Amino acid sequence: DTEVTQTPKHLVMGMTNKKSLKCEQHMGHRAMYWYKQKAKKPPELMFVYSYEKLSINESVPSRFSPECPNSSLLNLHLHALQPEDSALYLCASRGVLRGTEAFFGQGTRLTVV
Amino acid sequence: DAKTTQPPSMDCAEGRAANLPCNHSTISGNEYVYWYRQIHSQGPQYIIHGLKNNETNEMASLIITEDRKSSTLILPHATLRDTAVYYCIVKISNFGNEKLTFGTGTRLTIIP
Repeated sequence: DTEVTQTPKHLVMGMTNKKSLKCEQHMGHRAMYWYKQKAKKPPELMFVYSYEKLSINESVPSRFSPECPNSSLLNLHLHALQPEDSALYLCASRGVLRGTEAFFGQGTRLTVV
Repeated sequence: DAKTTQPPSMDCAEGRAANLPCNHSTISGNEYVYWYRQIHSQGPQYIIHGLKNNETNEMASLIITEDRKSSTLILPHATLRDTAVYYCIVKISNFGNEKLTFGTGTRLTIIP
């Protein structure tokens, strides 16, 4: 199983809403990532978790709050978002061995209204 | 991580080999070259990676020059389903504190 599963696939939320994105993998990967991708742009790294601890935060606004409750699950909690936060949010995971690749989920298409 | 330079777009006829170049002239000795592709509105898909030697798998071949300053991804018999944005990434495979950073990529269009 080389699958990274993201739910929901689509999400529409108001600027005062609180919602969460979920990412799950069962490959035993101990590094997990959140990316944000705007239309016609490359993915931009937001957060990296290593062994369930936050190791990289790319100066992401606090209205995005990541959480890694266990080695298989990664959440992104959303609160008070702006319309410009509308994007495709991608999750990825990677194993511990040198030179291994990262696997990406299919993303959550978020629209903030 | 080393910066990469790729042509913004390329066309290739269906059934022909697609050769996608990537320049990474500042690559360090411990940095790997990774290739991913992204088909419209889907998550990036891993294709292949290498350190020094040429690599081949069921999807593609990766040719890395001897000085490691550039590489070429080869799709041997391109199909319409290979139309995508292809990203070349170089990074140190240092687990835990690594940034998989995407450049602007090459938009490959396969022409029927």
